[in-house]
Amino acid sequence: QVQLVQSGAEVKKPGASVNVSCKASGYTFTGYYMHWVRQAPGQGLEWMGWINPNSGVTNYAQKFQGWVTMTRDTSISTAYMEVSRLRSDDTAVYYCARAFRIAAAVYHDYWGQGTLVTVSS
Amino acid sequence: DIQMTQSPSSLSASIGDRVTITCRASQSITSYLNWYQQKPGKAPKLLIYAASSLQGGVPSRFSGSGSGTDFTLTISSLQPEDFATYYCQQSYSTPNTFGQGTKLEIK
Repeated sequence: QVQLVQSGAEVKKPGASVNVSCKASGYTFTGYYMHWVRQAPGQGLEWMGWINPNSGVTNYAQKFQGWVTMTRDTSISTAYMEVSRLRSDDTAVYYCARAFRIAAAVYHDYWGQGTLVTVSS
Repeated sequence: DIQMTQSPSSLSASIGDRVTITCRASQSITSYLNWYQQKPGKAPKLLIYAASSLQGGVPSRFSGSGSGTDFTLTISSLQPEDFATYYCQQSYSTPNTFGQGTKLEIK
């Protein structure tokens, strides 16, 4: 069965970086784009971007360009998202989500369990 | 960026009620609209994709409709497990923006 298992919670100081991993199993990792979505405490969902695990090509929301980096390691079916120069308002649960495509329609059929990143001095 | 606006932001309803949640896009997104359900402390769960297609395993009391800029999610007869927050998301263009959410509470 398809599973996305994310790394554990992190506590970071402002200005630091954090790297969240998302290990995929139960399907061909390179066959589906991986998206990242975050959710600040008590807030809604915010789309961050995607990575094509096959090519490594990425697409970031403009807000995140320059300080979020998405990568992957196909040998271990794992996607990564690094957020640099952390600020307190980056405190959020970060989700990876597989993107399934039918024709031009794209949707997230499987999600990781989420990784809480807390930024605090 | 395409803005997605949901209404209402919160809703109180009773078991067995028929409930409709609306999502409006700031420009046409044809039928590239998804609906998710999220319960506290859990990841979102896909309910509807491409505006009206029911994801496998999702109860048939959930349905979606609409095209262009206006979309609805309908729950035909509320069950206790349906009390949650619901989000729409457009996949017409990146960034694939979400609505702000609709919290469905027990009356």
